[in-house]
Amino acid sequence: AQKVTQAQTEISVVEKEDVTLDCVYETRDTTYYLFWYKQPPSGELVFLIRRNSFDEQNEISGRYSWNFQKSTSSFNFTITASQVVDSAVYFCALIPANRDDKIIFGKGTRLHILP
Amino acid sequence: ETGVTQTPRHLVMGMTNKKSLKCEQHLGHNAMYWYKQSAKKPLELMFVYNFKEQTENNSVPSRFSPECPNSSHLFLHLHTLQPEDSALYLCASSSDRGSDVAFFGQGTRLTVV
Repeated sequence: AQKVTQAQTEISVVEKEDVTLDCVYETRDTTYYLFWYKQPPSGELVFLIRRNSFDEQNEISGRYSWNFQKSTSSFNFTITASQVVDSAVYFCALIPANRDDKIIFGKGTRLHILP
Repeated sequence: ETGVTQTPRHLVMGMTNKKSLKCEQHLGHNAMYWYKQSAKKPLELMFVYNFKEQTENNSVPSRFSPECPNSSHLFLHLHTLQPEDSALYLCASSSDRGSDVAFFGQGTRLTVV
């Protein structure tokens, strides 16, 4: 079965704090892609990162960083020094390589950054 | 601005109405998608078009009818909907199917009364 679990439904942190959003996935495929998208109040999902299953290297982009660990089937997302503009719903998603039109989204984590 | 435009942004319709949602992309993408986002449920992929051909229909009820006249435009025709169909309907496009990065529109907030 293919599944993406974002156990944190809602998180609130004070501005400038660091926050980590968890993503755990299940798949029997050895080749797959993982994504993170941000959905601000305006509605559109904004692409943040794509990672294929053979690339476990962690990535940093400004205040954003991602920790991909195949051993625990996790692809966690950390925002450092959070800002109010980071407030949004964040989705983790999985695409199995052999069913590349079967993208599976987690339920999302609503992040509130308090001023 | 993601390059994917959806109209209308909000729609209220009765259960006996017929309406259409429109999606337009000027990114030169070949694949377009309809998603449904309901409260407290994961995003659900409804339809996939690749080079104007429908490649996926995830058991969507026939009261939802997609149309893709060209690779830049995608429609979702609605008729005799139910209140549980109220949701945010998101359109997306990607250069090719599946694992390519998808660009999303802002969605149409649909309320069925």
